[in-house]
Parts: sequence; structure tokens; C-alpha cells
Amino acid sequence: GAGVSQTPSNKVTEKGKYVELRCDPISGHTALYWYRQSLGQGPEFLIYFQGTGAADDSGLPNDRFFAVRPEGSVSTLKIQRTERGDSAVYLCASSPGVMGDTQYFGPGTRLTVL
Amino acid sequence: AQTVTQSQPEMSVQEAETVTLSCTYDTSESDYYLFWYKQPPSRQMILVIRQEAYKQQNATENRFSVNFQKAAKSFSLKISDSQLGDAAMYFCAYRSGQGAQKLVFGQGTRLTINP
Repeated sequence: GAGVSQTPSNKVTEKGKYVELRCDPISGHTALYWYRQSLGQGPEFLIYFQGTGAADDSGLPNDRFFAVRPEGSVSTLKIQRTERGDSAVYLCASSPGVMGDTQYFGPGTRLTVL
Repeated sequence: AQTVTQSQPEMSVQEAETVTLSCTYDTSESDYYLFWYKQPPSRQMILVIRQEAYKQQNATENRFSVNFQKAAKSFSLKISDSQLGDAAMYFCAYRSGQGAQKLVFGQGTRLTINP
């Protein structure tokens, strides 16, 4: 019965470094989403997984961003060569995988790039 | 592409009173879903209410109800008997009924409850 969890809660890194953000979805949810929320804005879609495959990665801003979900459960968002503009809250959500279903969100990871 | 607009950056209401948050959206689709999410300072987005576009009846969840006007592409949220715990950012979101499964969010409305 646990909800979506994300680790770490906060991450501070230096410009140019590599970071990984982890998302544990609700057990049994086949769909997983990543969103990015800049200060004072609504979340913006990054990528959507159905099972192990990325069904829609149209929101990834550039090739420094990559996400995986190798076993169809936990997902990792990877950001290479971080830039100050990457600073934001990264939200993960999961859903049962049925058309129109409700997405349940985790608490997010706040990434700060110095 | 679909867009969602929340024209009220901030709203305030007295405790126990009623407040309405506005949301409009733009789409050429006929089949879609609309959502209101609440985001308290803890950052976690919490579903408040959802509406299927094919349903004419407005959704209600306890003190929360929506006014869904499909022709006008309007989806407002009414909170009755406002409580201090309702203070949060509120986001309106759109989801296609076919194809793309992502949520498209508005800019949000910050709701303050005055005791």
C-alpha cells in the first residue's frame, strides 16, 4: 500500500556533474511518468514508460537527459553534464496503465545545480 | 498541442467560505480527461478531483466540485466550507483520451485561507 517514493529528496551538485534520480512506483503500476517543475510553474512532462519501454520521450529537453526502467518497476532519471538551468523539482508519477487512469505522484526530488 | 490556462495566480478566502478557481484549456479533441491537483508545501501532488469529458454530470468529491463547460472549454473548481488545510497550490491538468498519456498542467493558483 505504499505510495510513489523518490530518492534522494534533495540533491545538490556542481555544474558539469552527473546525477541520478530514482523513482519507486506503486506496486503493480505499469505506467511511470517523469515531470520537471521549475519554481513557480506547473510540472512539465519529460518521459512516459509503459512497462520497460519508453512509450513517449518527447519531453526530454536534450540528449543530456536519459531515463531507464529495466525491470518495469523502479526508474532512474539520469542527467549528464548538469547545468544551472537543470535546477528544478523532478516529480515521478505512476498509474495502473489504463487509458485515462489517474496518475499518483511522489514527493519529488529537488535538484540544485551550483 | 493542448494548453491549459489558469488566470488567477493567487486567490484568498475566509475560512468556511466558498471559493472558485478558474481553468480554461485548448484542444481539438473530443475525448479527454481533466484533473485538479493540490500541491502543499510538501511538494507532493495530490489528486483533488477528475472529470471525464464524455460525462455531462459535473464531478463532486465531498467539499470539492467542478463546473465543466465543454463547449466553453472551461473547468473550474469550487471549494465549499474552506478549511485551513486547503491552503496550497492548485493545478488544473489535461490528459488526452487517445494517444499521449502525459498530463498538461496549467501555471497554478496559490490559495490562501484566512482564519
